Amino acid sequence: DVKVTQSSRYLVKRTGEKVFLECVQDMDHENMFWYRQDPGLGLRLIYFSYDVKMKEKGDIPEGYSVSREKKERFSLILESASTNQTSMYLCASSTIGDGETDEQYFGPGTRLTVT
Amino acid sequence: GDSVTQMEGPVTLSEEAFLTINCTYTATGYPSLFWYVQYPGEGLQLLLKATKADDKGSNKGFEATYRKETTSFHLEKGSVQVSDSAVYFCALNNNAGGTSYGKLTFGQGTILTVHP
Repeated sequence: DVKVTQSSRYLVKRTGEKVFLECVQDMDHENMFWYRQDPGLGLRLIYFSYDVKMKEKGDIPEGYSVSREKKERFSLILESASTNQTSMYLCASSTIGDGETDEQYFGPGTRLTVT
Repeated sequence: GDSVTQMEGPVTLSEEAFLTINCTYTATGYPSLFWYVQYPGEGLQLLLKATKADDKGSNKGFEATYRKETTSFHLEKGSVQVSDSAVYFCALNNNAGGTSYGKLTFGQGTILTVHP
């Protein structure tokens, strides 16, 4: 069974802290994604990666960075957490397939609160 | 750029009622269209998809037809159950002009609550 895991379900951090969110997939997928989910706004893409050490900005990259040192692992980093980064963070992965129509597989999410 | 618009929620229905959640999109070319569902406390999972005009995706009693002429992909179910209570997201993948790396553009989500 396919699996995307995220390091924490709930996280509470203080303003200014450096925060690491980890995501691991066991499907040998090339593509990995980080989204944040906020009520009324749906899912917004923060960063994605299509290969090891490769990354591309999504729609809302400001205040975030990412790291992909191994194919199965994609980390989201909040360099200096702020209260407006309180949100649900979702990781997803997908493979490269025929016609780019492949399904994205999602982790359970990390609910981050910054106080 | 690409965009997806879903009907305003939340939607509240009684068990066995008919469900429609509207979804319209703006995109160049011929995107693939998806419906994802998020049950309480979980991540998203694919419900159904359609890759070309007039295709119908179906799963678990849900259906949606890719209508290029109206740029729509409305989700329907004939008889909802309490267990269908969840958040539903419409999304598209547009590979126009080159590789999209599988990126999806999501709508804002529609909360569905079904009462016994």
